[in-house]
Amino acid sequence: SYEVTQSFSVSVALGQTARITCGGKNIGRKNVHWYQQKPGQAPVLVIYRDINRPSGIPERISGSNSGNTATLTISRAQAGDEADYYCQVWDSSTGVFGGGTKLTVL
Amino acid sequence: QVQLQESGPGLVKPSETLSLTCTVSGGSISSYYWSWIRQPPGKGLEWIGYIYYSGSTNYNPSLKSRVTISLDTSKNQFSLQLTSVTAADTAVYYCATMGVSTSYFDYWGRGTLVTVSS
Repeated sequence: SYEVTQSFSVSVALGQTARITCGGKNIGRKNVHWYQQKPGQAPVLVIYRDINRPSGIPERISGSNSGNTATLTISRAQAGDEADYYCQVWDSSTGVFGGGTKLTVL
Repeated sequence: QVQLQESGPGLVKPSETLSLTCTVSGGSISSYYWSWIRQPPGKGLEWIGYIYYSGSTNYNPSLKSRVTISLDTSKNQFSLQLTSVTAADTAVYYCATMGVSTSYFDYWGRGTLVTVSS
């Protein structure tokens, strides 16, 4: 089965740039989606198909995907960005989530 | 805008069947893929499976032998049954939608905690 790996945690200083990665074999050939989940809440889609933002998601949140790594970038990090972030792909018609990355804004 | 609401027992005994229903409002169930996703306490997300409005289904291979997802278009609902549950099935269960050609989950329910315990 296809495996997707994420760092357990990432820390970023307020106002700086955070990068959260999602690793998988040739993941650049897949569509990667990203979800933000705050404590006690359902996940919210923040990036779809590698680089696209749903309406209401700020431009300072962006995505990229190439080779074996997809990256979610959060610029000018704010306290409200503190959350768990999950990447998601499909492989052989099976939905696969990464293990999640906890973003801490210092 | 589509809204989803999970409902069902919050406590299930080991070896019994977990049954949940997701009620859809603000949109027709006669379109989209309708999914179940779960999250054990303190852990990550796990896709369980989906049903297409036509009735076709697709399940996570790791759960396939125990999972059934069904659709009731007359009630605008879809349901999850998970048999022979153990403590490892304790989780928050979410229902979610996925567009026909999108491959991402754009609308989610709030989730419901199901505890497996005697």
